[in-house]
Amino acid sequence: DVKVTQSSRYLVKRTGEKVFLECVQDMDHENMFWYRQDPGLGLRLIYFSYDVKMKEKGDIPEGYSVSREKKERFSLILESASTNQTSMYLCASHNRDRGQYQPQHFGDGTRLSIL
Amino acid sequence: AQSVTQLDSHVSVSEGTPVLLRCNYSSSYSPSLFWYVQHPNKGLQLLLKYTSAATLVKGINGFEAEFKKSETSFHLTKPSAHMSDAAEYFCVVRGVRDDKIIFGKGTRLHILP
Repeated sequence: DVKVTQSSRYLVKRTGEKVFLECVQDMDHENMFWYRQDPGLGLRLIYFSYDVKMKEKGDIPEGYSVSREKKERFSLILESASTNQTSMYLCASHNRDRGQYQPQHFGDGTRLSIL
Repeated sequence: AQSVTQLDSHVSVSEGTPVLLRCNYSSSYSPSLFWYVQHPNKGLQLLLKYTSAATLVKGINGFEAEFKKSETSFHLTKPSAHMSDAAEYFCVVRGVRDDKIIFGKGTRLHILP
């Protein structure tokens, strides 16, 4: 079974802090994603990556950056946390699409509160 | 414009009765379609996927979905609801616009005892 592990289930930080959310997958997947999930807004894509050291902006990248130094690890960085970044953050990964779209596998999420 | 529409934000059914969660998409060709379930404080788990093979797809936990191209629908059904089915369900489409993964807004399923 694919395992996507997010380092923290719950996190509380203060406004202005630099925040790191870590995600590790154990199935050698090329593609990794960060989403935030808010009531009434569904899942919104922040950043994604197709390979090591590659990153692409999603729909709401402002205020975030990412790092992918190793294939299995994809980090989300809040450069200077603000209260409007309080949310549930979900990491996902999937294998390279080879003639067929592959389903994503999700971590359990990190519920981040910015005070 | 939204390319995936989950027609109901909330659905309530009694335990033991059928479940129907509706999903419509817009596309000029056959996309790949997925249904995911999310239990409270958990990530999304794949229920089933359609990738242009059989139009009736069987998934885990007794769920199934039928791809109807003429109606651009991919509704999720289960013959008999169980209390453990209470969760949020997401319809997801790929291949509609570029290779983007497009999520519906979700349907929260409530099971009444």
